Amino acid sequence: DAGVIQSPRHEVTEMGQEVTLRCKPISGHDYLFWYRQTMMRGLELLIYFNNNVPIDDSGMPEDRFSAKMPNASFSTLKIQPSEPRDSAVYFCASRKAGPPYEQYFGPGTRLTVT
Amino acid sequence: KQEVTQIPAALSVPEGENLVLNCSFTDSAIYNLQWFRQDPGKGLTSLLLIQSSQREQTSGRLNASLDKSSGRSTLYIAASQPGDSATYLCAVLWAGNMLTFGGGTRLMVKP
Repeated sequence: DAGVIQSPRHEVTEMGQEVTLRCKPISGHDYLFWYRQTMMRGLELLIYFNNNVPIDDSGMPEDRFSAKMPNASFSTLKIQPSEPRDSAVYFCASRKAGPPYEQYFGPGTRLTVT
Repeated sequence: KQEVTQIPAALSVPEGENLVLNCSFTDSAIYNLQWFRQDPGKGLTSLLLIQSSQREQTSGRLNASLDKSSGRSTLYIAASQPGDSATYLCAVLWAGNMLTFGGGTRLMVKP
């Protein structure tokens, strides 16, 4: 299994531009999670999906952030417009529905907004 | 509020030493607890997962224990090596599907 796949691995963009991060979960996993990691705040859960349906988006910082999961093998996290404070590493993770509920993380996308 | 705490935030030890990393959590009604390793600029690698009904898990030189009644878990690393240098994160799953992470312990093993 290839594990959770994220693209791009690095993204540098200017303030105001639209940014789209992509994730392919492990095949057969029912849950998909988007996290953000910064030095100041550590790892924060932004949103998670179950069977392609968003379940909890209470961690999404503001309306500039949106996430979709059009099918079981693909999800996107979009920031429009981007701001310098969005600079962080964004991780995608997935897991199966049943126990032991182990989460597997992707390599992350390092986003820099100038 | 359900919280996870890791102390110390940083630890430096000489090579060969046995060491213990600590994780504490506020609510004993957990589903599981996972220990992750994160190398600089990299993603999270799952090391060990302890289910609620288990007391410990072992993988090679790593041993993780769980004491729900006291709200504590420890990660024991035997005969530490410079390659063990990384940040170690503890994460707890309570009801609700969301993992709650501790702040991590940054470990440096000096040759």
